[in-house]
Amino acid sequence: QSVLTQPPSVSAAPGQKVTISCSGSSSNIGNNYVSWYQQLPGTAPKLLIYDNNKRPSGIPDRFSGSKSGTSATLGITGLQTGDEADYYCGTWDSSLSDVFGTGTKVTVL
Amino acid sequence: QVQLQESGPGLVKPSETLSLTCTVSGGSITSYYWSWIRQPPEKGLEWIGYIYYSGSTNYNPSLKSRVTISVDTSKSQFSLKLSSVTAADTAVYYCAREERYYGSGSYSSRFDYWGQGSLVTVSS
Repeated sequence: QSVLTQPPSVSAAPGQKVTISCSGSSSNIGNNYVSWYQQLPGTAPKLLIYDNNKRPSGIPDRFSGSKSGTSATLGITGLQTGDEADYYCGTWDSSLSDVFGTGTKVTVL
Repeated sequence: QVQLQESGPGLVKPSETLSLTCTVSGGSITSYYWSWIRQPPEKGLEWIGYIYYSGSTNYNPSLKSRVTISVDTSKSQFSLKLSSVTAADTAVYYCAREERYYGSGSYSSRFDYWGQGSLVTVSS
């Protein structure tokens, strides 16, 4: 149902790097800014990245964002067990609505 | 620090109207957009709609016919009503502050503060 597609899951060992892709179209990512959210188990989502690559105060620089064309990517370096969570991308769509990605579960091996 | 808190019934009967209120504290409700977002059990996030403090609204096209969002700035509250609910409306409902702007031909939107979420179950 979501217009933004993410891989269902990614995994890596502690200290390693993972990247999460978010694929959209010219109706959304291609012409608007992207944000990323982290949802730890049983909690509300938390803003990680906004305007493609900006981090709110308090978010460590292990988290980074980028955008190219109709896709965006979230990177997490120095992976920690506390990073195990679901991650969602989000943006504005020309259908006049905010949209979220399908979500990606990050597992630390 | 801005805080949001949802309140309302946790159980709603099918065909009835779901009603939730979000109370904003620690900051002003003016000059921002305020959204409702929901998450069915074990599923992803779905934006329901937003209201500007002035009262203008925008709803998800898929829910537009059943949704009403209102604001009471004197109480620093905004509310959600979802009519004719079915089991498919069972979800955790979040309220959130939305920062949005339009510049250089692009929209920017982000949800920077969230409530803890309120589980609403639709069942007879």
